[in-house]
Amino acid sequence: GENVEQHPSTLSVQEGDSAVIKCTYSDSASNYFPWYKQELGKRPQLIIDIRSNVGEKKDQRIAVTLNKTAKHFSLHITETQPEDSAVYFCAASMVDGNNRLAFGKGNQVVVIP
Amino acid sequence: GAVVSQHPSRVICKSGTSVKIECRSLDFQATTMFWYRQFPKQSLMLMATSNEGSKATYEQGVEKDKFLINHASLTLSTLTVTSAHPEDSSFYICSACRAVHPYNEQFFGPGTRLTVL
Repeated sequence: GENVEQHPSTLSVQEGDSAVIKCTYSDSASNYFPWYKQELGKRPQLIIDIRSNVGEKKDQRIAVTLNKTAKHFSLHITETQPEDSAVYFCAASMVDGNNRLAFGKGNQVVVIP
Repeated sequence: GAVVSQHPSRVICKSGTSVKIECRSLDFQATTMFWYRQFPKQSLMLMATSNEGSKATYEQGVEKDKFLINHASLTLSTLTVTSAHPEDSSFYICSACRAVHPYNEQFFGPGTRLTVL
């Protein structure tokens, strides 16, 4: 089955700086890679996703890059703001026709004002 | 669009009782719903995949007789924790996929905090 590793587990950045979180996956057949943001006690919210037929996708301050050869994908947050502080989860689709996702362990991002 | 609700949001029960959690897709039809469990400061652990009109598929290590899942309609799935014990205390979150969405996007419910005394 799919195995998703996420690094680092905790990341502290100064407000205005960039944050990068990297995930690796094991199944080369995975074709969908979403990133979710979860604030304490709340539901995960999709912030950006990427399909395997593209290498990069950007939405304002957030971007995701995908390297299929190396089987890793990264979340980039530029000009970080205090409200970006949350836990970020990456996920990769399991190719079983049932839309299952394998999640990474999560990354606590702390933006220091 | 793509709103998923859960009820209740919080429940406290005595050990040995059963608790039912509802997951509803409010503005779309969901042929597939998922149930996750999340312990404090940990990731989302997939428990089972629920398809409308068929038996749920459970992940390895999840007891199907303890966590009963029913997906009776395209907008409702229920999770019943039977004979709950303190170790079942957790945050239970459901998600749903649109029936004809081209991507695998899952829309999450707000979660249910279960505390078993």
